[in-house]
Amino acid sequence: DTEVTQTPKHLVMGMTNKKSLKCEQHMGHRAMYWYKQKAKKPPELMFVYSYEKLSINESVPSRFSPECPNSSLLNLHLHALQPEDSALYLCASSQLSQGRVNEKLFFGSGTQLSVL
Amino acid sequence: QKEVEQNSGPLSVPEGAIASLNCTYSDRGSQSFFWYRQYSGKSPELIMFIYSNGDKEDGRFTAQLNKASQYVSLLIRDSQPSDSATYLCAVVLNAGNNRKLIWGLGTSLAVNP
Repeated sequence: DTEVTQTPKHLVMGMTNKKSLKCEQHMGHRAMYWYKQKAKKPPELMFVYSYEKLSINESVPSRFSPECPNSSLLNLHLHALQPEDSALYLCASSQLSQGRVNEKLFFGSGTQLSVL
Repeated sequence: QKEVEQNSGPLSVPEGAIASLNCTYSDRGSQSFFWYRQYSGKSPELIMFIYSNGDKEDGRFTAQLNKASQYVSLLIRDSQPSDSATYLCAVVLNAGNNRKLIWGLGTSLAVNP
């Protein structure tokens, strides 16, 4: 299984809603990532988990809250988002080499988020 | 100077031609270089990676790295309409104990039948 599965594929939410994005991989990867991508821009790193522990937070606003319940699952909890948070949210995973992230990333298909 | 620079394109080539995509980077200490392909509305997909100077071939794709000149390129031989996509160059930037993957803005490729 070489897939990273993300749900839902599309999400529309109001600024007062709470929602969660989910990501699952069964490749045995021990690094998992959340990226945000706006149209015609490259992916922008948000969070990195290594061995289920948060290793990188790219100064993301607290209205985004990541969670890694186990080595296969990654969640992104959303609360009180702003319209400018509308974007494609991508989950990715990779192997770790000698404890360091390996940048050969496997991406999920993404969640297209619209905040009204 | 941006850390990773790519010509945004669009680069337009006829079917069967060689498409040449270029990327320059600013960190002389960078050791790892990646090319991702992204179709419109889809997620990025890793197609090539290269660590050493010279050429690396995989099917119709060749990655070329020149660390002295700080550029990495991707050649696509016998281009097909299905190669039409945005190609993202990504370079590992070493900052002390931290490694960070820096992305270029991508080059849009259109292969015309």
